[in-house]
Amino acid sequence: AQSVTQPDIHITVSEGASLELRCNYSYGATPYLFWYVQSPGQGLQLLLKYFSGDTLVQGIKGFEAEFKRSQSSFNLRKPSVHWSDAAEYFCAVGPGNTPLVFGKGTRLSVIA
Amino acid sequence: DVKVTQSSRYLVKRTGEKVFLECVQDMDHENMFWYRQDPGLGLRLIYFSYDVKMKEKGDIPEGYSVSREKKERFSLILESASTNQTSMYLCASSSPTGSFGSYGYTFGSGTRLTVV
Repeated sequence: AQSVTQPDIHITVSEGASLELRCNYSYGATPYLFWYVQSPGQGLQLLLKYFSGDTLVQGIKGFEAEFKRSQSSFNLRKPSVHWSDAAEYFCAVGPGNTPLVFGKGTRLSVIA
Repeated sequence: DVKVTQSSRYLVKRTGEKVFLECVQDMDHENMFWYRQDPGLGLRLIYFSYDVKMKEKGDIPEGYSVSREKKERFSLILESASTNQTSMYLCASSSPTGSFGSYGYTFGSGTRLTVV
């Protein structure tokens, strides 16, 4: 069965600094991979997704993620964090024919 | 703008009550899902549906049931609410049928349920 690990429960970064959120997955074939963001008290919004092809994918709000098959990773990055990026971030994996499996999330705090 | 609408943002119910959480989507999606979200546990799948009147158990179905009488509406039912069902409940939808994880989900804003 597929699984997702987000090793960092909470990360604090300074505004303007770069960001990398880690995601490792377990799945036998090439998975469908997603990053979602959840602002406080809200539902989840899709940031970006990977199905196949170019391993570096661009998303909304200036985020990008890189699929590395050899490391079973799909890390989320942003070159310069804004205070409005403070939220919880979820990585998810799916083979397509079963529901997505979500990681436990990483909470991002942004300080001035 | 496409939407998944959950009828209540906040609910407070008493132990033993029968509770209905409603979810409506306007995207003509075949697949609908109910997750619960708890701190430190992430999102856990309760039930999902890939067609009208069809339902499948997720990872934590105990204490819950669902109803899907129309394509756009997916209801989560707590038959006899208990305090350990206090949680944030998230509804989501996707398309096409059977491709549950292929194209990502659209989520509602969530219902925060407190059982006292």
